Amino acid sequence: GAGVSQSPRYKVAKRGQDVALRCDPISGHVSLFWYQQALGQGPEFLTYFQNEAQLDKSGLPSDRFFAERPEGSVSTLKIQRTQQEDSAVYLCASSIRDRALNEQFFGPGTRLTVL
Amino acid sequence: AQSVTQLDSQVPVFEEAPVELRCNYSSSVSVYLFWYVQYPNQGLQLLLKYLSGSTLVESINGFEAEFNKSQTSFHLRKPSVHISDTAEYFCAVSDSGGSNYKLTFGKGTLLTVNP
Repeated sequence: GAGVSQSPRYKVAKRGQDVALRCDPISGHVSLFWYQQALGQGPEFLTYFQNEAQLDKSGLPSDRFFAERPEGSVSTLKIQRTQQEDSAVYLCASSIRDRALNEQFFGPGTRLTVL
Repeated sequence: AQSVTQLDSQVPVFEEAPVELRCNYSSSVSVYLFWYVQYPNQGLQLLLKYLSGSTLVESINGFEAEFNKSQTSFHLRKPSVHISDTAEYFCAVSDSGGSNYKLTFGKGTLLTVNP
């Protein structure tokens, strides 16, 4: 049974470039989460999907960040006009349901470096 | 809103010694509490969680944590550590209400077990 996978694992972007980060959750998991982990910090919540519906995007730091999950499985986090402060590890997690009783399974993350 | 404080960024110990990783939280509502572990080059994994009931929770690999509401703490302990316990440990909190899917993490504690 595959876990949560993310691609690419590493991404280097020049400031101003757009990037797209992909997340493949565990098959059948209803809930999907994106977190941002800056160097030396814990993960910070970005956004939450239940199936294809984005129910919470309160953690997205600016309107340059956009996430989608059009068919309720794979999700893409897009960052437009990247800035140096966007450099971080972006973590995706999935859960079988939307309650804290259900464990969030994390992917290995995508390390984004903006030059 | 919740916050989590992990006072120790690094904890070095010798093999077979006891260890305590400290976690304090702040919240105006009832909470759920979690410890996640990140082994080198791996994604975050749930170690244990407190949702309700007994305030002492245990993991399968010998860790335990006790929820102390009066001290707003959820310290992680193990009586005898192994080299393989070397990892980064993150304490996390969510509210127990409608947005309980949203985890707030501490900055993490790097546990290094030396022979």
